[in-house]
Amino acid sequence: DTAVSQTPKYLVTQMGNDKSIKCEQNLGHDTMYWYKQDSKKFLKIMFSYNNKELIINETVPNRFSPKSPDKAHLNLHINSLELGDSAVYFCASSHPPSLADTNPTQYFGPGTRLTVL
Amino acid sequence: SQQGEEDPQALSIQEGENATMNCSYKTSINNLQWYRQNSGRGLVHLILIRSNEREKHSGRLRVTLDTSKKSSSLLITASRAADTASYFCATDNSGYSTLTFGKGTMLLVSP
Repeated sequence: DTAVSQTPKYLVTQMGNDKSIKCEQNLGHDTMYWYKQDSKKFLKIMFSYNNKELIINETVPNRFSPKSPDKAHLNLHINSLELGDSAVYFCASSHPPSLADTNPTQYFGPGTRLTVL
Repeated sequence: SQQGEEDPQALSIQEGENATMNCSYKTSINNLQWYRQNSGRGLVHLILIRSNEREKHSGRLRVTLDTSKKSSSLLITASRAADTASYFCATDNSGYSTLTFGKGTMLLVSP
């Protein structure tokens, strides 16, 4: 009964490769997010999707392309991986902020540790 | 850009003592959330406090919010070794509920 799940947990790959990270939530939330945590543990929002539509793109290189096949899934595809992409990527979900009287708490997945060699 | 700043960066205490972590932010917020992250693990939500609230409790956790000073504090009472983790404050101020995280406070509770 995992709330927010991500696969894979670990991903080691060579520079220049293309890889995908999958995220699924079973909380019935409409809004999903991708965050990046760097080696200094600094967490930064990358994307926000509401009901399969892109809401926020925080100046992320276009090598990163999120895809939301339905509102329970938000996958992250990364093209031409670079050394600087090495980080832990977290998926999260919440109720949409526009809904009154809902709890805006974000629930995070366990993270995917990406290492680019 | 970074919004929250936690203070201290690291805190080392003995079991049974209280731990207080502070968070300051720069712009107006909708709510502020505290998260815990154990080493190599995901983020666990602790408490959410809305901008119109001043204090919230959850078990051994107490969070305060002072919007006039743009600051929040997290108090963990009667700490346990299992509380050892990094603690992050995150502000929701975008209208789209994206969170802006601080750098975190690393708490070490020794038995």
